[in-house]
Amino acid sequence: ETGVTQTPRHLVMGMTNKKSLKCEQHLGHNAMYWYKQSAKKPLELMFVYNFKEQTENNSVPSRFSPECPNSSHLFLHLHTLQPEDSALYLCASSQDGGRVEAFFGQGTRLTVV
Amino acid sequence: DAKTTQPNSMESNEEEPVHLPCNHSTISGTDYIHWYRQLPSQGPEYVIHGLTSNVNNRMASLAIAEDRKSSTLILHRATLRDAAVYYCILRSFAAGGTSYGKLTFGQGTILTVHP
Repeated sequence: ETGVTQTPRHLVMGMTNKKSLKCEQHLGHNAMYWYKQSAKKPLELMFVYNFKEQTENNSVPSRFSPECPNSSHLFLHLHTLQPEDSALYLCASSQDGGRVEAFFGQGTRLTVV
Repeated sequence: DAKTTQPNSMESNEEEPVHLPCNHSTISGTDYIHWYRQLPSQGPEYVIHGLTSNVNNRMASLAIAEDRKSSTLILHRATLRDAAVYYCILRSFAAGGTSYGKLTFGQGTILTVHP
């Protein structure tokens, strides 16, 4: 248990569906991250939020829409996804800066059919 | 972003020490060296981090070269549960540093532990 909770753990959705992934942390961290990990590939950083403000968007397609309503919660809204978007989506949190470690959730295994 | 270079894979026998190297020749003075590992079907897990001095914790030791251009993660006695992908990452503590606020993963080193 890392203190970062992701729901759901597994999700199957059709290409025309709209769904949301949720990430929650009560560690007092002010930075939260979304990553995508496709099969046998390294983690790809998608979005970074610091103090609820988006500070990084690594050219992510607009069918992925992040939302950070407060420092404890992070959402990833999904719509009209493609089968190649099937992957493990991971959330992480930390204090901003590099002095301390980051904590990761267990991820949401997404399958787009 | 400051880059790190790691071997693609390494092998070890159970209960033997493992030394996982990482090169980071473009490291800046504000970069901490972080190590994470990822077990199959799990999110990455923090292992250790340091700035200049060698560091020890219950999981591992981190040896940092004097010029900080390389580091080595040391698992003192490998177990089968240590089989994972190990990532070496640079994170800046200074706002304005290129790796500030980021946690950018490379390919990592796949560690195989033999019984």
